[in-house]
Amino acid sequence: GQNIDQPTEMTATEGAIVQINCTYQTSGFNGLFWYQQHAGEAPTFLSYNVLDGLEEKGRFSSFLSRSKGYSYLLLKELQMKDSASYLCAVRDSNYQLIWGAGTKLIIKP
Amino acid sequence: DAMVIQNPRYQVTQFGKPVTLSCSQTLNHNVMYWYQQKSSQAPKLLFHYYDKDFNNEADTPDNFQSRRPNTSFCFLDIRSPGLGDAAMYLCATSSTGYSGANVLTFGAGSRLTVL
Repeated sequence: GQNIDQPTEMTATEGAIVQINCTYQTSGFNGLFWYQQHAGEAPTFLSYNVLDGLEEKGRFSSFLSRSKGYSYLLLKELQMKDSASYLCAVRDSNYQLIWGAGTKLIIKP
Repeated sequence: DAMVIQNPRYQVTQFGKPVTLSCSQTLNHNVMYWYQQKSSQAPKLLFHYYDKDFNNEADTPDNFQSRRPNTSFCFLDIRSPGLGDAAMYLCATSSTGYSGANVLTFGAGSRLTVL
């Protein structure tokens, strides 16, 4: 079966750096996405990786290793507004999105 | 601003009373999706349209139906809601289904409560 694994919850301190990991086993690979979802709201797009390496976008970076079936989302200079769930999703060989259950990130002052 | 709009944002219904949720988009995207999301769970795809081509997920219950009368609008009908159908229903769009990044743009969601 197809599977996306992420930690259920993480806690970090305002101003610090946090890394959220995602491992996947899917039927083929056609890109990996990270979405941010605040409680009770819709997911919003953060990043897309289809080739190995690091994609940087402001305070957020995303890394992909296709050979290891692994990605991480790196958040720098954490702010209280970064408290949210972070969803990892992989597009498989049928171009279907397989979603992880999300990692709830709690930021403490 | 181009966007995806869902109505209503909150819907309370009684057990077995039909419900219709709507979604409209100004992005002119040809793919529209309906997802069900329960608390702390991954979004679950119910169905999607590639233009007017309807694609039903194999495990979507018959209790859920959908209509897409034109490019801009899509509806989710729940014929006889049960307690297990209480969830957030998310509508999303993307520009094409089978190539490129095809980032999904989500609406704000419709939260369904079943009494």
